[in-house]
Amino acid sequence: SQELEQSPQSLIVQEGKNLTINCTSSKTLYGLYWYKQKYGEGLIFLMMLQKGGEEKSHEKITAKLDEKKQQSSLHITASQPSHAGIYLCGADMQGAQKLVFGQGTRLTINP
Amino acid sequence: DTAVSQTPKYLVTQMGNDKSIKCEQNLGHDTMYWYKQDSKKFLKIMFSYNNKELIINETVPNRFSPKSPDKAHLNLHINSLELGDSAVYFCASSQELVRGETQYFGPGTRLLVL
Repeated sequence: SQELEQSPQSLIVQEGKNLTINCTSSKTLYGLYWYKQKYGEGLIFLMMLQKGGEEKSHEKITAKLDEKKQQSSLHITASQPSHAGIYLCGADMQGAQKLVFGQGTRLTINP
Repeated sequence: DTAVSQTPKYLVTQMGNDKSIKCEQNLGHDTMYWYKQDSKKFLKIMFSYNNKELIINETVPNRFSPKSPDKAHLNLHINSLELGDSAVYFCASSQELVRGETQYFGPGTRLLVL
């Protein structure tokens, strides 16, 4: 099983709707990173969370890290076609000197 | 201004061939990485280098040999390519090899082995 589980694996929403993507770990996370990937492009860094309960926002995207630092959610408000892509969470895991990634969530925005 | 660049962007080759992928970063970072993303989109680390020294080698076959001529470059050479090597390979860099350092990724190299 994956060390980081993302859900859902794919998501299709109507433009203008809100959506949430989750990233869950069985271990304490020392840092949680959200990236977005579009075809033909690399991973674009969105934001990083380190403290329990931390919340960050960038434009219409908000990410939270729970108090136990084992789960993060990414919330998009009033989705737009430009939000379409694959969202990946990556984490500094306990005892690891590397980033471990979830399997990604493919987001499609229907006009 | 490209922060992390990779060449080539696409690579189609025959089984058994040897190929190289180049990576360069102009961010002044000390640490560079190679990741492999398979057809199911799982992204997994292969190697990390800090100040030109190998730090992480995630049980990658020794057909894969990274080379870091200087801190700004980390190239990946693959010998005797196999069908299972087909994937997207991403290079990344971070300021240091410590927790809390954001990794910045290149655009990826799509390798197809026929």
